[in-house]
Amino acid sequence: GDSVTQMEGPVTLSEEAFLTINCTYTATGYPSLFWYVQYPGEGLQLLLKATKADDKGSNKGFEATYRKETTSFHLEKGSVQVSDSAVYFCAPGGNMLTFGGGTRLMVKP
Amino acid sequence: IAGITQAPTSQILAAGRRMTLRCTQDMRHNAMYWYRQDLGLGLRLIHYSNTAGTTGKGEVPDGYSVSRANTDDFPLTLASAVPSQTSVYFCASSERLAGSADTQYFGPGTRLTVL
Repeated sequence: GDSVTQMEGPVTLSEEAFLTINCTYTATGYPSLFWYVQYPGEGLQLLLKATKADDKGSNKGFEATYRKETTSFHLEKGSVQVSDSAVYFCAPGGNMLTFGGGTRLMVKP
Repeated sequence: IAGITQAPTSQILAAGRRMTLRCTQDMRHNAMYWYRQDLGLGLRLIHYSNTAGTTGKGEVPDGYSVSRANTDDFPLTLASAVPSQTSVYFCASSERLAGSADTQYFGPGTRLTVL
């Protein structure tokens, strides 16, 4: 079945720092790829997605590019804010969504 | 627009008791899902439903059952709760079953503690 590997957290950054959260996956075929975010005390919500190779998903300053060659979908943001503190989940959307273990991001003022 | 509602918000349950977690969506989505979230394990799929009247097993279905009598409701039942079922439970829905590019929309979760 599908699987996903995310970098373990927590990731602690200062405000305005550059963020990268690595995600690699194994899947049958070429599934859509998703990043979901979970803010404290809430359910998950879609952050961005990409549906085919070389597509770039973007939202709220976050970006991720569908890299078929390296089966990766790394999340990046150029300048994080305290409000970005949350848990981030990478998920290939094959037969079912397969969630990684999540990466907790803590941004300090 | 409410989206997805779950009830109760939290519950403490004695082992061996029966419990039903409720989930209702108002988006007329065909597909619905139940996940459990445990620390360090991400979300794991328990059961899903492609459309009203059909259900399927996910990654961790043992000890749980679901029904889908109509489009809006997707209750999850623990027939005889055990401590290992202590977790946060999330209900989700999408227009079509996962495997498309459809976004899943999540409820706020139910925190269940089994003692």
